[in-house]
Amino acid sequence: QSALTQPASMSASPGQSITISCTGTSSDVGTYNLVSWYQHHPGKAPKLIIYEVSNRPSGVSNRFSGSKSGNTASLTISGLQAEDEADYHCCSYAGSINYVVFGGGTKLTVL
Amino acid sequence: QVQLVESGGGVVRPGGSLRLSCAASGFTFSSYAMHWVRQAPGKGLEWVAVMSYHGIHKYYADSVEGRLAISRDNSKNTVYLEVNRLIPEDTAVYYCARDSLGGDPKWFWFDLWGQGTPVTVFS
Repeated sequence: QSALTQPASMSASPGQSITISCTGTSSDVGTYNLVSWYQHHPGKAPKLIIYEVSNRPSGVSNRFSGSKSGNTASLTISGLQAEDEADYHCCSYAGSINYVVFGGGTKLTVL
Repeated sequence: QVQLVESGGGVVRPGGSLRLSCAASGFTFSSYAMHWVRQAPGKGLEWVAVMSYHGIHKYYADSVEGRLAISRDNSKNTVYLEVNRLIPEDTAVYYCARDSLGGDPKWFWFDLWGQGTPVTVFS
């Protein structure tokens, strides 16, 4: 069982927006503004799309945005496109003992 | 081209060992801590090990402590993960990933990943 809780799967139509939640605890998501999100197309290298809760690396589409409230972080993808169909993993720094925790991943289907 | 390429995975019997490699290119490898993260079938990602940029400090997840050994050769731009006394629960795709910022491990985020190498523990 993963330390962070994500929905196992979500689906939406092209052009719609979708929000993926990632729930942790006060020991990780709730304490540190160090939540990151990764897009993973099976068989490819995972790709960092959000870091420090809401920052986008250079080259990542502004259709991806992140936020956090309490122990729950969220990834919103707007204007869904077929290429957004992938697995999305959240991650949080968890301090000097547990270091880092991941979510179980969310499989996004673009219908 | 900035990239990480893993190799060395395979099918191994329980109790066996494997040495995974991750070759880096396109960036100053010796400036970054390097991690290994794995994903078991149907499960989420799991961080397992990291080595500091100079190879002095290494840290492991409790779940694998004592059975994994991380090392690196900065002259070859390569980080290694030796997995010993393999058990079925070690079956996973193993990814190497670059630490977010240069220097010692920070675990803040992972800004570069490889495509992974699969390990199957099968009797």
